[in-house]
Amino acid sequence: EAQVTQNPRYLITVTGKKLTVTCSQNMNHEYMSWYRQDPGLGLRQIYYSMNVEVTDKGDVPEGYKVSRKEKRNFPLILESPSPNQTSLYFCASSFSNLYLNQPQHFGDGTRLSIL
Amino acid sequence: DAKTTQPPSMDCAEGRAANLPCNHSTISGNEYVYWYRQIHSQGPQYIIHGLKNNETNEMASLIITEDRKSSTLILPHATLRDTAVYYCIVISGGSNYKLTFGKGTLLTVNP
Repeated sequence: EAQVTQNPRYLITVTGKKLTVTCSQNMNHEYMSWYRQDPGLGLRQIYYSMNVEVTDKGDVPEGYKVSRKEKRNFPLILESPSPNQTSLYFCASSFSNLYLNQPQHFGDGTRLSIL
Repeated sequence: DAKTTQPPSMDCAEGRAANLPCNHSTISGNEYVYWYRQIHSQGPQYIIHGLKNNETNEMASLIITEDRKSSTLILPHATLRDTAVYYCIVISGGSNYKLTFGKGTLLTVNP
């Protein structure tokens, strides 16, 4: 089954403790992206990747890192999490950012709580 | 990307067709209209998209007006599981292929 898989689904942690949210897709998609969703603010893009080893900042990249060493994986790293990063996070993938007639597919989300 | 306008909420009876409107009056010629939905904090689910022509798939139909300034998503036989927030999005070219979700329409399907 074609899917985008995120782990963990839920995490409660403390300020400053490094964490990684993994994202994997099995559709051989070139494009991957991370979003966060907060009440009243909608979905905001954090980082995106057009292909292996190609990543760039979205609208709200501060406090986050990403890497794209393999096509299928696009982990989101919080080196020193802070309470303002408490949010619902979504990973998405698409065939390519060059083909707008190819939809983005989303994972089920990761709910992070930073205390 | 062109801005979209949707009603904040709509109700529909189970088994009836749900028609969700979207206004995108500033859309340009190479911009696509996409519809997604989100069920209670789950991941946004792709429904359908189109450029100029009407489109139909196993989930829904998309009707785009001839001037492309508005569109309607049609769920032909709504069920309780279709209760969700529906987002109409217009996207254009650009390297970051960012999806910008507005407030959407909360569709409530009633028994």
